Amino acid sequence: QQQVKQSPQSLIVQKGGIPIINCAYENTAFDYFPWYQQFPGKGPALLIAIRPDVSEKKEGRFTISFNKSAKQFSLHIMDSQPGDSATYFCAAFGNTGTASKLTFGTGTRLQVTL
Amino acid sequence: DAGVTQSPTHLIKTRGQQVTLRCSPKSGHDTVSWYQQALGQGPQFIFQYYEEEERQRGNFPDRFSGHQFPNYSSELNVNALLLGDSALYLCASSLKGVTNTQYFGPGTRLTVL
Repeated sequence: QQQVKQSPQSLIVQKGGIPIINCAYENTAFDYFPWYQQFPGKGPALLIAIRPDVSEKKEGRFTISFNKSAKQFSLHIMDSQPGDSATYFCAAFGNTGTASKLTFGTGTRLQVTL
Repeated sequence: DAGVTQSPTHLIKTRGQQVTLRCSPKSGHDTVSWYQQALGQGPQFIFQYYEEEERQRGNFPDRFSGHQFPNYSSELNVNALLLGDSALYLCASSLKGVTNTQYFGPGTRLTVL
C-alpha cells in the first residue's frame, strides 16, 4: 500500500519555468512533511519541510503549499534552473502503525532545459 | 561541520553471502536510521537506532540487523543475501528528540550477483 502518492513521475520545464510536484497522503497521523532533492549517485538532501498547521512555506526559490483538509501538499520551484535537474521526493513523518518513520513518495524526475 | 558519512561506496557480493555497511552520523546527532532505495524508487525505512538499541523497525526480514556504537556510529548487517537486496543503502542521522528531521549520507551501492 502506497501511503504517500506522488505525481508526476517525470517533468520537463524550460529554464525560468515553475515546476509543480504534487503529493497526497491518507494517514492522519503524519505530522511533518519534508521534501528531498536527490542527484544521481548521491543521497537525498533535505530541501524544505512543513507542518500541517501551516498552509505555505517559502525558502529561497522553493515553496511548499499544504492543504490539510484535502491531505495534499505540493512543491513549487520558482525561476527553475538547469542545476535544479534532479529527482525530488516528498515524504511524510508519523506513526504508520508499525513504526514512527519517514514514508517517501515514489519520486519525480525533473529536467530543466535551456 | 562533518555530514553523514558511509562506507564503503560500492560493494559487490554473491547470493548467500553476508555484508556489513557502516555509517557515521552528522556531528552532534545521536540517532541513526537506515533505508533501502531500489532503483527508481523512494527510500524504504529499515530501522532506527538510538542509545545503542533498535527503536523502530520497518517491514524488513530478520536477515537485516544492525548495531549502534557508543560514539553513535552504526552498522547495517544483511545475511543470506538475495538478488533482490541489490539497492542503494542510505543512512540518515537526526537528534533523538527531532527524528522527523533527517539528514542522509551518500549511500552504499550494493550489488548482489
